[in-house]
Amino acid sequence: QVRLQESGPGLVKPSQTLSLTCSVSGDSINSGDFYWNWIRQPPGMGLEWLGSIFHTGVSFSNPSLKSRLSISVDTSKNQFSLKVTSVTAADTAVYYCARSRRLDYWGQGALVTVSS
Amino acid sequence: DIQLTQSPSSLSASVGDSVTITCRASQGIGYQLAWYQQKPNKAPERLISGTSKLDSGVPSRFSGSRSGTDFTLTLNNLLPEDSAVYYCLQHNSFPLTFGGGTKLQI
Repeated sequence: QVRLQESGPGLVKPSQTLSLTCSVSGDSINSGDFYWNWIRQPPGMGLEWLGSIFHTGVSFSNPSLKSRLSISVDTSKNQFSLKVTSVTAADTAVYYCARSRRLDYWGQGALVTVSS
Repeated sequence: DIQLTQSPSSLSASVGDSVTITCRASQGIGYQLAWYQQKPNKAPERLISGTSKLDSGVPSRFSGSRSGTDFTLTLNNLLPEDSAVYYCLQHNSFPLTFGGGTKLQI
């Protein structure tokens, strides 16, 4: 059974960096079969794809956040991570990680609130 | 970027009814569209990928189809547990993009 689990601080101050990690079990990121993704959902709003990364480190990012967003992968830990710099209240959202460009398996989500 | 225009944004139906939700892509994406169901405070769950392939465990009451750049999700014989928000996703090319969502109330 493939499982993804987001982890990281639930509260981030404005102008600081949001950091989240997605731990994967039941599949190996290093298998090279899939892209690994981050998606977010502000409270009461729709879904926004943030970016994807392959096991080689090749990544794609949403142009709307590209300058603030970075995604990395640690195949030895079977994890991938998200960083969003210079956060504002508009970055408050539930952040999800998911497997595959077809987003077949999702984590349960992690609420990150940006507030002083 | 490929835009997905999803309609309607909300609809109300009764148990046993059938409803259709539409996603229109701003350009051709082949059959590379998926549908998701999201219930309150839960992660989205994929229902369909590749326009019409049902995920394991998804009831056959759900179906997907395509006509050009218009994609439809049809739900037949609605049940109370079908109340949810439904999203489409194009997975043809990066950046991946979602439709705006359809809130279905039974």
